[in-house]
Amino acid sequence: NAGVMQNPRHLVRRRGQEARLRCSPMKGHSHVYWYRQLPEEGLKFMVYLQKENIIDESGMPKERFSAEFPKEGPSILRIQQVVRGDSAAYFCASSPPNGAGEQYFGPGTRLTVT
Amino acid sequence: RKEVEQDPGPFNVPEGATVAFNCTYSNSASQSFFWYRQDCRKEPKLLMSVYSSGNEDGRFTAQLNRASQYISLLIRDSKLSDSATYLCVVNGGGSNYKLTFGKGTLLTVNP
Repeated sequence: NAGVMQNPRHLVRRRGQEARLRCSPMKGHSHVYWYRQLPEEGLKFMVYLQKENIIDESGMPKERFSAEFPKEGPSILRIQQVVRGDSAAYFCASSPPNGAGEQYFGPGTRLTVT
Repeated sequence: RKEVEQDPGPFNVPEGATVAFNCTYSNSASQSFFWYRQDCRKEPKLLMSVYSSGNEDGRFTAQLNRASQYISLLIRDSKLSDSATYLCVVNGGGSNYKLTFGKGTLLTVNP
């Protein structure tokens, strides 16, 4: 049973470019979460999605960031016009529909903005 | 007060030692509690859930005190492979999905 998959694992973008991060949840999991970990900081919740629905995006910056989880295909976290401060590790997690709150994390995408 | 606060560490212990991690949380409405471990530059991995009655998994024992809003993790007979950052994690309270992470405590087990 494959775990949560994320790609790319490493992404380098110049300031002003767009970054697209992809996440496929574990088989049987219908809930996807994105977290960001800045250097020397703890993980911070960004957004919670189910298929075709954004349930909670209270942790997302108001501008330049968006997320989707289409009916078919992976969840996408999109960052437009990246800035140096966006450099971080972005982790996706998934959970089963009737779990006890535990979440399982993918290997992350390390975004570097130059 | 931080939402989830952990011992700042780092902890350096010899193999075979017993080590304890402490954590406090501020949201009394939190319902679910976990310990994750994170190896350097890798993803957090679920170590164990924490229940009010306390729970044990091999060398690892977790305890929760809801009245004090305090969580602990005890590792007995520590191994070199236990070296990692240990993350105290609680759900957001009022929602059973928004996990709030402590900054973690780095443990290094020395031969």
